[in-house]
Amino acid sequence: GAGVSQSPSNKVTEKGKDVELRCDPISGHTALYWYRQSLGQGLEFLIYFQGNSAPDKSGLPSDRFSAERTGGSVSTLTIQRTQQEDSAVYLCASSLLPREGEAFFGQGTRLTVV
Amino acid sequence: RKEVEQDPGPFNVPEGATVAFNCTYSNSASQSFFWYRQDCRKEPKLLMSVYSSGNEDGRFTAQLNRASQYISLLIRDSKLSDSATYLCVGSSGSNYQLIWGAGTKLIIKP
Repeated sequence: GAGVSQSPSNKVTEKGKDVELRCDPISGHTALYWYRQSLGQGLEFLIYFQGNSAPDKSGLPSDRFSAERTGGSVSTLTIQRTQQEDSAVYLCASSLLPREGEAFFGQGTRLTVV
Repeated sequence: RKEVEQDPGPFNVPEGATVAFNCTYSNSASQSFFWYRQDCRKEPKLLMSVYSSGNEDGRFTAQLNRASQYISLLIRDSKLSDSATYLCVGSSGSNYQLIWGAGTKLIIKP
């Protein structure tokens, strides 16, 4: 597709369940970012990928969060044993190069943990 | 102190007025800056880059003041469709990260 695609667009899950969020970046974009945004709040950085490598995972809130990227393309963010405080919109962005200001965002996955 | 700080607003402005807001940054190593726009329940989208010499795009003017470490965005002849949250972003020169402000909410009223 032409833009960044995220799936699912909405996810409601029970507390304690695992969820997997998917991001398809723009073809050819080497940099991929995951952010979290709670209602009315700014963007919270989670993790950055350069190719398949994640040089900085320091933004991940806890060890329940993990992410991977394969083939320099699709990335998945996995949250294990979800908690209510994990409820937020999870945004993925990609850019052609690192430090490239024009990051293109997907429409996000709205996660609700009940 | 946050690396990038913005007044959260909201700024309530009548249609047709000029509005300006600033963003301050703490990392003097930051090299590049950008303004993004985020509509309610939508993803952020790049509005404009901010250059040291200042730049203008239609009704929008962005400026960077490195000495005082702030970035500004000026919107002239504001339209109802300008209502959104404006996010200030800095890019560190030493790493990849984009550092995001929490955003300034703008409401244009008829």
